[in-house]
Amino acid sequence: GNSVTQMEGPVTLSEEAFLTINCTYTATGYPSLFWYVQYPGEGLQLLLKATKADDKGSNKGFEATYRKETTSFHLEKGSVQVSDSAVYFCALSHNSGSARQLTFGSGTQLTVLP
Amino acid sequence: DSGVTQTPKHLITATGQRVTLRCSPRSGDLSVYWYQQSLDQGLQFLIQYYNGEERAKGNILERFSAQQFPDLHSELNLSSLELGDSALYFCASSRPGHSYNEQFFGPGTRLTVL
Repeated sequence: GNSVTQMEGPVTLSEEAFLTINCTYTATGYPSLFWYVQYPGEGLQLLLKATKADDKGSNKGFEATYRKETTSFHLEKGSVQVSDSAVYFCALSHNSGSARQLTFGSGTQLTVLP
Repeated sequence: DSGVTQTPKHLITATGQRVTLRCSPRSGDLSVYWYQQSLDQGLQFLIQYYNGEERAKGNILERFSAQQFPDLHSELNLSSLELGDSALYFCASSRPGHSYNEQFFGPGTRLTVL
């Protein structure tokens, strides 16, 4: 079956530090890959996506590249801000058929200190 | 604001009781997904409906059921509640024709079973 493995948290960084959150997946075929973010007390928001190998998703300074050879989709940001403090989820979805549910990783709590 | 609404925001009930959670998808979205977020299980897919029909089932207990109505809103029914059912329940919706299946999440319903 499908699965997503994320690096264990929590992660604590100082403002302007470099961020990497590792994500690897197991899936048959060619899934789409996503990063969702959950701010305290809120629902999940799509942060970025990639639909095929070597695609780079980017948004709000965050980037992730779909690496099929290493089955990875690591999230990076060059300079984090206090406002980036949240829980980040890596997820995958298959593109075939009508069943398109998301499979999520366990989430990584990020805290950015001023 | 994702455009997906969920009611109620909070629900407190006792073991053995039955509750109904409601979700209204974004305008134009035909698919509705239900997810459960708990501390021990993380984010898990429960069930998907597409234009009134069930399309996929995940780790949904037999005590749980759902339906999608002609106006496309959906309800998740949880019965014979147990302490372990306490969780955040999210609804998400997506639009047909999107090959990468971007899902938009509601703010969630926090269920507490006492």
